[in-house]
Amino acid sequence: QKEVEQNSGPLSVPEGAIASLNCTYSDRGSQSFFWYRQYSGKSPELIMSIYSNGDKEDGRFTAQLNKASQYVSLLIRDSQPSDSATYLCAVQSNTGNQFYFGTGTSLTVIP
Amino acid sequence: EAQVTQNPRYLITVTGKKLTVTCSQNMNHEYMSWYRQDPGLGLRQIYYSMNVEVTDKGDVPEGYKVSRKEKRNFPLILESPSPNQTSLYFCASRSPRVDTGELFFGEGSRLTVL
Repeated sequence: QKEVEQNSGPLSVPEGAIASLNCTYSDRGSQSFFWYRQYSGKSPELIMSIYSNGDKEDGRFTAQLNKASQYVSLLIRDSQPSDSATYLCAVQSNTGNQFYFGTGTSLTVIP
Repeated sequence: EAQVTQNPRYLITVTGKKLTVTCSQNMNHEYMSWYRQDPGLGLRQIYYSMNVEVTDKGDVPEGYKVSRKEKRNFPLILESPSPNQTSLYFCASRSPRVDTGELFFGEGSRLTVL
């Protein structure tokens, strides 16, 4: 079983819509969760981190964490063509030393 | 400017020819790590280092070596590269802030082993 699983997509949404990205993880001891965005040919960049159950909002982005269900999600409101990228879910091990990444979900926002 | 710098960015080599990919960060981060990214497999950790002279294996360490003699540098060494090491490699360092585990990535090094 993979440590972190994501739907690979591709996911296509029209401009202005809400994009919903999902991630599940296997290690119940994990405490720290991240969403990175990776444009084609570029390095990943952090867009959201979340550490406790519930929602965390930052601009158009909302991260949701449910530790009981071992589930993390990312909502992108008012999606823009510039949001078209691959989104990587990452989970930090409970020792803090290792990071496990999902395979990423490819998002395309159609103008 | 805070950054992680990798070199070379692109490299084509042949099986068995030793190579080193350098990584340097200017943020005084203690934690550094190496990842490889392959289609369908995502980012996988090769090695990480908690501080100078402290390194440990990640999930896919076979065929790689690392060293951490200075805080800012964390080179990745392929002693005898093989075609299955053809990949996109990323070096990353981590902020020591307790409220974030953000990884700062280098621009990547695309390696092809023939």
